[in-house]
Amino acid sequence: ETGVTQSPTHLIKTRGQQVTLRCSSQSGHNTVSWYQQALGQGPQFIFQYYREEENGRGNFPPRFSGLQFPNYSSELNVNALELDDSALYLCASSLRVTSTEAFFGQGTRLTVV
Amino acid sequence: GESVGLHLPTLSVQEGDNSIINCAYSNSASDYFIWYKQESGKGPQFIIDIRSNMDKRQGQRVTVLLNKTVKHLSLQIAATQPGDSAVYFCAENSSGGYQKVTFGTGTKLQVIP
Repeated sequence: ETGVTQSPTHLIKTRGQQVTLRCSSQSGHNTVSWYQQALGQGPQFIFQYYREEENGRGNFPPRFSGLQFPNYSSELNVNALELDDSALYLCASSLRVTSTEAFFGQGTRLTVV
Repeated sequence: GESVGLHLPTLSVQEGDNSIINCAYSNSASDYFIWYKQESGKGPQFIIDIRSNMDKRQGQRVTVLLNKTVKHLSLQIAATQPGDSAVYFCAENSSGGYQKVTFGTGTKLQVIP
C-alpha cells in the first residue's frame, strides 16, 4: 500500500452532471498529480498541484479543475460530464515537486451514463 | 508531438526466466525515463527510473537500459516470478517547473508457472 487514498472507489454519474473526486496524499508529500486512465491505455496527465496552486496541466479542457488543501489533500472536479469521461482517475503524490517517484492511489472508477 | 510507445502488447514468460520489456520514445528532451508496474485493480507502482544522461541502472532484480541513439528503453526482470505478472508502462518525465509524466500504452507480462 502506498498511503495514498482515493474516494470514492466507484461512481456512476449521468451525462451533464458534475463530480468531485478526493485524494489524500501520503504523509509528508506536498505535490499531488491527477491522471485519467481509459480502459486498456496508459494514464494521461491532467494536472499537478503544489502549495495549493495548479503547477502544470495536460491537454484537458477547463471543465477539469482541482484544488489542493493546506494538508496537501486534493480534489478533482469535472463539470458537464461527457460519456468519454468514463475512466479510472488516479491520484499520485510525491515528496517534492522535483521528485520523479510518484505514489499512486488505487483510483476512482467513474462511469458516465 | 511527444509520445512513448511499446513494441509488444503482451509478453509471456516462463517462471524463472528473464523478461525483457521494450519501449520506444520520441521526445529527446525528457529528463527521466520511468518504469511503472500496474496490477489489476491497483494504481501504477514505481519500479525504477533512469536519468537521460545515463545508459544503465540496476535495482533489485530489475535493470533499465537507455539507448538515446535509437530512442529505446528496456526493462529487464531477472528470474521472473508469478508476482511479476502485471501491465508494465514506460513513461517519460519532462520537468519544466513541474513533473509531467507521459505514459505509454503498456505491455502485459504473463508469467507461466
